[in-house]
Amino acid sequence: DIVMTQSPDSLAVSLGERATINCKSSHSVLYSSNNENYLAWYQQKPGQPPKLLIYWASARESGVPDRFSGSGSGTDFTLTISSLQAEDVAVYYCQQYYTSPRTFGQGTKLEIK
Amino acid sequence: EVQLVESGGGLVQPGGSLRLSCAASGFTFSDYWMSWVRQGPAKGLEWVANIKGDGSEQDYVDSVKGRFTISRDNARNSVYLQMNSLRSEDTAVYYCARDKGQLGRFDPWGQGTLVTVSS
Repeated sequence: DIVMTQSPDSLAVSLGERATINCKSSHSVLYSSNNENYLAWYQQKPGQPPKLLIYWASARESGVPDRFSGSGSGTDFTLTISSLQAEDVAVYYCQQYYTSPRTFGQGTKLEIK
Repeated sequence: EVQLVESGGGLVQPGGSLRLSCAASGFTFSDYWMSWVRQGPAKGLEWVANIKGDGSEQDYVDSVKGRFTISRDNARNSVYLQMNSLRSEDTAVYYCARDKGQLGRFDPWGQGTLVTVSS
């Protein structure tokens, strides 16, 4: 199975500041035939199910604010929130869909400093 | 609006069985693979199983193979998870999620149903 490891486990950022969450996969999730990274990011707020934010490592889901961006390739990925808002407090997860079983990172808890 | 509503969770003893249901609306159900994903205290988010739009293919995570069975009824726009020989480590919130293909991202997710395996 591909192991997804996120860092840090938790993060406190001031309102309006940048938040950066990292995700590392134990195997490349870049599919050479189409040059796509099979990597998604989700946001989970308390008491709610996860919500898809980013897919193909950097494509923003419809309706997701443009302060959220994804980057990276191969085994190393980053989710960046350019200017933290109060409503961004949540746990964020990366997920690979390169192979079965699809696997998730352990989550990064984002709080306001 | 796409909506997924799970039901059937509850408290069950180790070795027992439970059947989860997920009712879908707002999209052409038979066009999509559907998954069950669980979130437990120890393992975090874990994909459990998925099933093709016509029900002809299924896939499972190794830890549930031989114990869980995913099925669907396209006439009722529903997907099910039959869980047998339940163990304490199966305790989790179980989410139904729409798949973007056989191997894809999950979008959207239902609100989840809690399964607790305990004596």
